[in-house]
Amino acid sequence: GAGVSQTPSNKVTEKGKYVELRCDPISGHTALYWYRQSLGQGPEFLIYFQGTGAADDSGLPNDRFFAVRPEGSVSTLKIQRTERGDSAVYLCASSLSRLAGGYNEQFFGPGTRLTVL
Amino acid sequence: AQRVTQPEKLLSVFKGAPVELKCNYSYSGSPELFWYVQYSRQRLQLLLRHISRESIKGFTADLNKGETSFHLKKPFAQEEDSAMYYCALRRAAGNKLTFGGGTRVLVKP
Repeated sequence: GAGVSQTPSNKVTEKGKYVELRCDPISGHTALYWYRQSLGQGPEFLIYFQGTGAADDSGLPNDRFFAVRPEGSVSTLKIQRTERGDSAVYLCASSLSRLAGGYNEQFFGPGTRLTVL
Repeated sequence: AQRVTQPEKLLSVFKGAPVELKCNYSYSGSPELFWYVQYSRQRLQLLLRHISRESIKGFTADLNKGETSFHLKKPFAQEEDSAMYYCALRRAAGNKLTFGGGTRVLVKP
């Protein structure tokens, strides 16, 4: 079946511009995660959705970053007034709901490479 | 707060040699530990998790709570094992993953 998809695969923008990154999770996955991976580092957690609500947004670096998931499926990560330091690969992952005491594997998308000039 | 450390950025071994990727973590509660792998031009994927205690593609990893480590081992490396490997931690009741910085493995013929 289809995996997690992300668009665009690459985005080049200028400092100060606004960008939107899209994630299409695996059908039926109610949990959705955004991570950011800077060059030479491991992925860092940004935000987690359970259904339509953001259950944990503790990883968002500042108020320029915002994410939505209005219908509990597709999610959009929005970055306002982009800065050069925002350049990174933005990864999306989805999973089934976490049952109490159980684990559901996070399936990752291919990522969006954002370059802020 | 939890933290995952992978001290080696690069491991270069010859085909057929053993390989061990180190992972140390800091977390005061009961963690769940994972190894993820990213092959060239592919997406990040789960390799194995401590709770399942299984061997995947010849790799094993044992959670050592006393040493707070979850090292990944394979007795005989293959060229197709060349990839980036990430160790990750999750709180027992949590959802988000905390990743280490990654180790690049290069298996030479």
